[in-house]
Amino acid sequence: GENVEQHPSTLSVQEGDSAVIKCTYSDSASNYFPWYKQELGKRPQLIIDIRSNVGEKKDQRIAVTLNKTAKHFSLHITETQPEDSAVYFCAASSGNTPLVFGKGTRLSVIA
Amino acid sequence: NAGVMQNPRHLVRRRGQEARLRCSPMKGHSHVYWYRQLPEEGLKFMVYLQKENIIDESGMPKERFSAEFPKEGPSILRIQQVVRGDSAAYFCASSPGQYTDTQYFGPGTRLTVL
Repeated sequence: GENVEQHPSTLSVQEGDSAVIKCTYSDSASNYFPWYKQELGKRPQLIIDIRSNVGEKKDQRIAVTLNKTAKHFSLHITETQPEDSAVYFCAASSGNTPLVFGKGTRLSVIA
Repeated sequence: NAGVMQNPRHLVRRRGQEARLRCSPMKGHSHVYWYRQLPEEGLKFMVYLQKENIIDESGMPKERFSAEFPKEGPSILRIQQVVRGDSAAYFCASSPGQYTDTQYFGPGTRLTVL
C-alpha cells in the first residue's frame, strides 16, 4: 500500500522567511496530493492540493510542486507570518485508495 | 452553509463502556470518511461510507469498531468495550465524491478512556 514520508518533523523560521516542507510517496499510481493545515485543537483545513497532470500550483503565498518521476512533492510558504504557525500534513491518494497522510510538520514562525 | 458537524466534541468513557460518535456531512455531500489521530501523529484512515453503504473499511479494527451512515441522520462510529488505547481524536470528513474529491473535515471528537 501507499506510504507517505514527510520532512522535517519540526521547522522554525523567522517571520518573513520562506518555509519548505517535503513529502515522498511510494505508490506510482497516486495522482492526488492535498496539503492540510491544523492549528492546535482545531480541524485539519485544506490549504492547497495538486493533481498529477500539473507540476506546480500557486495560491498567493503558498505553492506546491510535484515531481512524479522522483515521487515527491513539496509545500512552499513565502513571506511567512506568525499565523502560519501550525502543523502541516501532506497526503496522497490514487483515486481508488484512501488518503494516506504524512506524520506532519510543526511549523513555528518567530516574530 | 454549515460545514461538517461532529458531536460530541469531547467524550469520556470508562473501560468497557461504549462510545458513539456522530458526524453530519456538509450539505450536498454523500461521502463520509472517518479518521483517527493519535497525539503527535498524522491522520489514519478508518472507514469510508456512502449513504447506507460501507465502501471501504480497510483501516478499521476488526473487533469492537463499527460504522454506519443511514439513509436519514448522521454517520455514526461506534466503539464497543472501549480500552485505554482507543483514546484519540476522531475526525470525520465529507466530500461530494470519491477519494480524490476535496475532503472537508469536522472539528473532531476527543475520546478519553479512563
